[in-house]
Amino acid sequence: QKEVEQNSGPLSVPEGAIASLNCTYSDRVSQSFFWYRQYSGKSPELIMSIYSNGDKEDGRFTAQLNKASQYVSLLIRDSQPSDSATYLCAVNVPNDYKLSFGAGTTVTVRA
Amino acid sequence: DTEVTQTPKHLVMGMTNKKSLKCEQHMGHRAMYWYKQKAKKPPELMFVYSYEKLSINESVPSRFSPECPNSSLLNLHLHALQPEDSALYLCASSQDWASGRERFFGPGTRLTVL
Repeated sequence: QKEVEQNSGPLSVPEGAIASLNCTYSDRVSQSFFWYRQYSGKSPELIMSIYSNGDKEDGRFTAQLNKASQYVSLLIRDSQPSDSATYLCAVNVPNDYKLSFGAGTTVTVRA
Repeated sequence: DTEVTQTPKHLVMGMTNKKSLKCEQHMGHRAMYWYKQKAKKPPELMFVYSYEKLSINESVPSRFSPECPNSSLLNLHLHALQPEDSALYLCASSQDWASGRERFFGPGTRLTVL
C-alpha cells in the first residue's frame, strides 16, 4: 500500500464547476497535510496547508481533513482555466524529515 | 516573503562537465532540501540540510555533491553525470524539518545531460 494515494486522473471539469480532489494516507500519526499546485514544466507551489480536522478555506480553495478516516481533500470552487494543473497531496509525520507525496491528480478546466 | 530562488533556470551539460546549481532563501528557514523530479512523477528527496549541516542523504550517487555555505545558501555540485540524471532539480526550505511546517519550493533548474 502506498503511503499517500490520490484519486486517479485526469479530472476534467467545466469552467465554473467544483473540482474535487481526494487523498488518503496510511500513517495514522500523520500531522501535516499540504496541497501543491504544479503547472506543466514549473515547480510545485504550496496552495493549502491543514493541520487539524475540519475545513480550511482560502479564496476558492477549501481543504478538508478527516484524521479518523485518514483522508484529506481539496475543493476548487468556480474552477477557472488557470486552475488547470497537477495537484500534489503531501503528508508529513511528526519528527520525520520526509514529505510523502501522492502521484498527483491532473485537472483540466474546459471553457 | 515565501520565496526560494534558484539559478540557473536551465542547464545543459556533457557527461564530463562539472557544474553547480545554486539556491537561496531569506525566510530564516533552518532546513533546506534538494529534490529531483522526473516528468509526471512527484518530487524525490535527495538531501536534507539542517542548521547548515547535512542531515540526510537519500542514497544519492556521489556524482551529486551538496554544500551549504551559510544558512541562506545551498549548492549542488554536479560531476560526471549520466543522461538519466536529466530532470528538474528543486530546492526547498522550511522552518525546520521536524515540526511539520510548510515546505516551499524554488522554481527549479531544468537539467539536461547529453
